[in-house]
Amino acid sequence: AQKVTQAQTEISVVEKEDVTLDCVYETRDTTYYLFWYKQPPSGELVFLIRRNSFDEQNEISGRYSWNFQKSTSSFNFTITASQVVDSAVYFCALSEASRTGANNLFFGTGTRLTVIP
Amino acid sequence: DTEVTQTPKHLVMGMTNKKSLKCEQHMGHRAMYWYKQKAKKPPELMFVYSYEKLSINESVPSRFSPECPNSSLLNLHLHALQPEDSALYLCASSPGTQTLGGSGNTIYFGEGSWLTVV
Repeated sequence: AQKVTQAQTEISVVEKEDVTLDCVYETRDTTYYLFWYKQPPSGELVFLIRRNSFDEQNEISGRYSWNFQKSTSSFNFTITASQVVDSAVYFCALSEASRTGANNLFFGTGTRLTVIP
Repeated sequence: DTEVTQTPKHLVMGMTNKKSLKCEQHMGHRAMYWYKQKAKKPPELMFVYSYEKLSINESVPSRFSPECPNSSLLNLHLHALQPEDSALYLCASSPGTQTLGGSGNTIYFGEGSWLTVV
């Protein structure tokens, strides 16, 4: 069974601080995909990144970076020099490989990030 | 801006009403989804359509009835809802095809429809 754990329920940081959001997952599949989504108060879930289980290369996109470690089943997300616009709920999610590409996302419970100006 | 469009943005309905939520995507995706999200909870899958056929129904009550008229459109018909059905309803789509690297698995969400049942 798949499971995603985001132990941090809420985090508050002061603007320009760095912040890391933790994500730990469980799956028996050998091929799977990990995602991060951002949900601002408006409600839309904004796709941030997909990482494949066979690709452990870390990724950086502007102020965002992701650290994927299969050995510890973790997929952590770091925001550097946080800004007020980063305030949102962030969800980590897992999906298994699908022959059709139609698949379910198993979400963590989310981490609410508040960036204080 | 999202390429998955949902209407209406907000809907208030009585328990005896019949209403519909609509979703449209023009990305050529072949899989479409309905998720339900209660306050301070993660989204929960309701239905998945793959190539216009219902492929997953997560034991959703029959008062929710999905419809996929074509590969770009997805509707959710609502009838005899209860106040506890009040939630954010998110439509999503994915390419729905196997691709190298798994890009076909990436699910893109719309802005959601906020439903209140009174």
